Amino acid sequence: AQSVTQLGSHVSVSEGALVLLRCNYSSSVPPYLFWYVQYPNQGLQLLLKYTTGATLVKGINGFEAEFKKSETSFHLTKPSAHMSDAAEYFCAVSLGNTGFQKLVFGTGTRLLVSP
Amino acid sequence: DGGITQSPKYLFRKEGQNVTLSCEQNLNHDAMYWYRQDPGQGLRLIYYSQIVNDFQKGDIAEGYSVSREKKESFPLTVTSAQKNPTAFYLCASSSGQGNNSPLHFGNGTRLTVT
Repeated sequence: AQSVTQLGSHVSVSEGALVLLRCNYSSSVPPYLFWYVQYPNQGLQLLLKYTTGATLVKGINGFEAEFKKSETSFHLTKPSAHMSDAAEYFCAVSLGNTGFQKLVFGTGTRLLVSP
Repeated sequence: DGGITQSPKYLFRKEGQNVTLSCEQNLNHDAMYWYRQDPGQGLRLIYYSQIVNDFQKGDIAEGYSVSREKKESFPLTVTSAQKNPTAFYLCASSSGQGNNSPLHFGNGTRLTVT
């Protein structure tokens, strides 16, 4: 069965520092992987997704993620954090071969950005 | 603008009462979903529907019910049988065209049962 592990429930960085949020997955079939962001008391917004092809995926707001099959990882990075990046981030894997979108979410990582 | 509307944003109920959460979308999406979010647990799937008049249980369907009479609407009823109903509920939709189509989320309903 597919699953997702996000290491670290909280990550703190200073404004301007590198952001690295970790995500490891398990999947018995080639996975589709997603990162979503959630601001307080709001729904989730898609940051980026990996389906097939290029393993480095660029998303919105300067975020990117690299699919590494050998490490079963899909870590999210941003070169320089901004105060507005403070939010909760969720990694998700799609159950493969269903022909229908059904996501399994990680438990989330809250990003804190200090001035 | 197309999107998903959940109402109300905050809902308070007494224990033992059923309550219905509204979810409407104007994205013309076939598939709709209900998730429950609790602190530190991520999102857990309650019910989903691929097409009108059809729906399936997710991972935590006990104590919940849904209907899908119209493509645009997928209301969720939290019944008195749900042991821990206080949570943040999120509705989502997708085009349903394969499992790489992203989910679009509403802004959620925060339910508090006392």
